[in-house]
Amino acid sequence: QKEVEQNSGPLSVPEGAIASLNCTYSDRGSQSFFWYRQYSGKSPELIMFIYSNGDKEDGRFTAQLNKASQYVSLLIRDSQPSDSATYLCAVRGSGNTGKLIFGQGTTLQVKP
Amino acid sequence: DGGITQSPKYLFRKEGQNVTLSCEQNLNHDAMYWYRQDPGQGLRLIYYSQIVNDFQKGDIAEGYSVSREKKESFPLTVTSAQKNPTAFYLCASSPFASGGDEQFFGPGTRLTVL
Repeated sequence: QKEVEQNSGPLSVPEGAIASLNCTYSDRGSQSFFWYRQYSGKSPELIMFIYSNGDKEDGRFTAQLNKASQYVSLLIRDSQPSDSATYLCAVRGSGNTGKLIFGQGTTLQVKP
Repeated sequence: DGGITQSPKYLFRKEGQNVTLSCEQNLNHDAMYWYRQDPGQGLRLIYYSQIVNDFQKGDIAEGYSVSREKKESFPLTVTSAQKNPTAFYLCASSPFASGGDEQFFGPGTRLTVL
């Protein structure tokens, strides 16, 4: 079983819709959760992080964390073609190494 | 400007050669990391360092070596022992010991073996 799992997609949504990206993790003691956006040929860019159960909103982005279900998601409201990218979920597990475990990423396509 | 720089952007290597990838940060971050990304895949950790003069192996350290002689620098050497080195190499840093474990990435180096 992979430690951090994401559906590779592609996830296709029309412009203006809500895109929902999901991630599950296996280490119940995981501490911190991150979402990165990666455009083709570029390096990952941090867009959201969340530490506590519940929702965290930043502009059009909302991260949701449910530690009991070991599930973290990213919602993108009013999706734009410029949101088309691969979204990587990363989890910092239990322990004090600072290491992040990355999922393989979900490719999002926003169609005009 | 504060940030992470990697050089070169593109690197071509002949089989049997060692090559060194540069990573520099001026963010005053404590921790630095090297990842490898293959097409259509996530990031795999090669080596990481939480403090100067100390580093640990990640999940795929075989065929790679690193040093951390200065806080701002964390070069990666890809040795001839690495059998399939063609990949996108990403360096990252994080505050870590100073509080905060979010990682920030450099622009990457694309290595191709000829």
